Amino acid sequence: DAGVIQSPRHEVTEMGQEVTLRCKPISGHNSLFWYRQTMMRGLELLIYFNNNVPIDDSGMPEDRFSAKMPNASFSTLKIQPSEPRDSAVYFCASSSPSGSVYQETQYFGPGTRLLVL
Amino acid sequence: TQLLEQSPQFLSIQEGENLTVYCNSSSVFSSLQWYRQEPGEGPVLLVTVVTGGEVKKLKRLTFQFGDARKDSSLHITAAQTGDTGLYLCAGASGNTGKLIFGQGTTLQVKP
Repeated sequence: DAGVIQSPRHEVTEMGQEVTLRCKPISGHNSLFWYRQTMMRGLELLIYFNNNVPIDDSGMPEDRFSAKMPNASFSTLKIQPSEPRDSAVYFCASSSPSGSVYQETQYFGPGTRLLVL
Repeated sequence: TQLLEQSPQFLSIQEGENLTVYCNSSSVFSSLQWYRQEPGEGPVLLVTVVTGGEVKKLKRLTFQFGDARKDSSLHITAAQTGDTGLYLCAGASGNTGKLIFGQGTTLQVKP
């Protein structure tokens, strides 16, 4: 079975440019999460969707970040304009309903390593 | 704000040694999960503990959830080089799928 698919795997861009990260969750999963991982701050939840609806976006750093989930099989995280401090590894994860929501397993993609110069 | 503090941050040991990683918080969690992450990959779930005082074993790994559901520990017996990686604890609160992650413990097991 294909796991969570993220693209691109690596992205190098210049400050001020728009960056779009893409995620395809595991088929049948109804929750999707976007995380950012840095050495300084660890793994932080940016936003999560349930049944394509954004449930909690309190982790989105600022208005430069936006996320969409137009359908159950695709999500994007956009940064516009990008800044050097956005450099990090961005992970997408998905989970399927299984009884108690706080016991669900999140399956992570391989991540997108973003470098903003 | 809920926080999870992991200790130690870094651990370098010889193959065959035992070790314990701690995950502490002042908040109560509905569940506590442990993940392992290898370089260039996403975290992979090892275990979920739900009940206060619960102990789960996964081969040489033993996970315990504190009685008050505020802390957890991961104990590895006779570590192997294949155990090398970043270990992350993550807590879920309330009735959501939202996870709060600790900063992680980087484990290096030398042959």
